[in-house]
Amino acid sequence: GQQVMQIPQYQHVQEGEDFTTYCNSSTTLSNIQWYKQRPGGHPVFLIQLVKSGEVKKQKRLTFQFGEAKKNSSLHITATQTTDVGTYFCAGNQNAGNNRKLIWGLGTSLAVNP
Amino acid sequence: NAGVTQTPKFRVLKTGQSMTLLCAQDMNHEYMYWYRQDPGMGLRLIHYSVGEGTTAKGEVPDGYNVSRLKKQNFLLGLESAAPSQTSVYFCASSYSASSVSNQPQHFGDGTRLSIL
Repeated sequence: GQQVMQIPQYQHVQEGEDFTTYCNSSTTLSNIQWYKQRPGGHPVFLIQLVKSGEVKKQKRLTFQFGEAKKNSSLHITATQTTDVGTYFCAGNQNAGNNRKLIWGLGTSLAVNP
Repeated sequence: NAGVTQTPKFRVLKTGQSMTLLCAQDMNHEYMYWYRQDPGMGLRLIHYSVGEGTTAKGEVPDGYNVSRLKKQNFLLGLESAAPSQTSVYFCASSYSASSVSNQPQHFGDGTRLSIL
């Protein structure tokens, strides 16, 4: 079935280092969303990408959607302790039921001060 | 503006007991969802609803039932709780999706459920 793979599963960085998480789908996606979940909290929507090759920035966060719309990445420049949490990607298929998102398993980020 | 409210926040049940988790949203969203989150498993969709009076099965529906009698409420029921249902349950809601994009999902704070 449709799968969205996220790597790495865990990442430890020193504060100030960069961080990237990757999301790969087995089939073409219509769009992809990114969420952040702080420890003990709930997922919070960050951004949605729709267009092939799209790049969006939010301060130190850069989101990319691949040309083939099968992969996406989230890059954080100069991590801070406030970036700690789990980052999830979630997309829906190009065809079929567009009411359900297919979620990656998430990348947990730890930042050492 | 409360957003998505889940009750209760914590609950401990014995095997075989039943309970209902309540979810209420005040954003006039058409879509509502119930997820469970287990360590290493990410978010798994249990059931969802695209409008009042309608429900549909998600990825892991067995052992759960849902009802959406009012647009703002989505109830998740466990008829006979099992230890495998120990999890954190999240409710979410969103506006309806178009053919090319989804709408952001807004999550509640979660219900932490332990079944002994």
